[in-house]
Amino acid sequence: QKEVEQDPGPLSVPEGAIVSLNCTYSNSAFQYFMWYRQYSRKGPELLMYTYSSGNKEDGRFTAQVDKSSKYISLFIRDSQPSDSATYLCAMSEAGGGNKLTFGTGTQLKVEL
Amino acid sequence: KAGVTQTPRYLIKTRGQQVTLSCSPISGHRSVSWYQQTPGQGLQFLFEYFSETQRNKGNFPGRFSGRQFSNSRSEMNVSTLELGDSALYLCASSGAAAIPNTEAFFGQGTRLTVV
Repeated sequence: QKEVEQDPGPLSVPEGAIVSLNCTYSNSAFQYFMWYRQYSRKGPELLMYTYSSGNKEDGRFTAQVDKSSKYISLFIRDSQPSDSATYLCAMSEAGGGNKLTFGTGTQLKVEL
Repeated sequence: KAGVTQTPRYLIKTRGQQVTLSCSPISGHRSVSWYQQTPGQGLQFLFEYFSETQRNKGNFPGRFSGRQFSNSRSEMNVSTLELGDSALYLCASSGAAAIPNTEAFFGQGTRLTVV
C-alpha cells in the first residue's frame, strides 16, 4: 500500500463548479502538506503549502488538513477551464529534509 | 527571478548507455532534489543534495547517482540504462538556508526515452 493515496480521476466538472480534491495518507510523521498543479508537458507548480492541521486560503483555492483522519483536501471555487490539469498532493516529515512523498495525482477537466 | 532550469529537455538513449542530466536551482537556493515521474508510479523521490552533500536518498538502485557543485547546480547520472528508466526526471529547488521542509519549486523536467 502506498503511503499517500489519491484518486486518479479523471474528474470532469462544468465551469463555475466547486471542485474537491482529496488525499489520504498512512504515515503519521507527515507534518508538511502541499498541493501542486501540473499541466501537460510541464513541471509541477506549487499551489498551497501548509504545516500541520488547519485551513489555508489563497484566492479561489482552499487547503484543509485533518491530521487526526490523515486526510487532506484542496477546494477550488468558481473553477475555470484554465484549471484543467493534474493536481498532486505531496507531504514531508519534520526532519526529513526536503524529501516529498507524492500522491499519484488527480486529472481534472473543467468544461465550458 | 529565474526559475529552475533543467537541461536537456529531451533525450533519447540506447539501453546500456549512461546519461547525465543537469539542474540549476533558483538563485540562492541550496537544496536540490531529484524525482522520477512515470505514468504507473507517479513522482518518486530519488535523492536530495544540500551544500554539496547528499541529505536524503530514495529507494532506487545504485545506477542512479547525483552530485552538487559549489554553485548549487546539480547533476544526476544514470548508468547502464534500462527500458524502465524511461521517464520524466524532475529537479526541485528549495530553501535559501539549511532549514528543511521549505517550499519546493520544480523545473520543467528532462524527458528521457530509452530504446
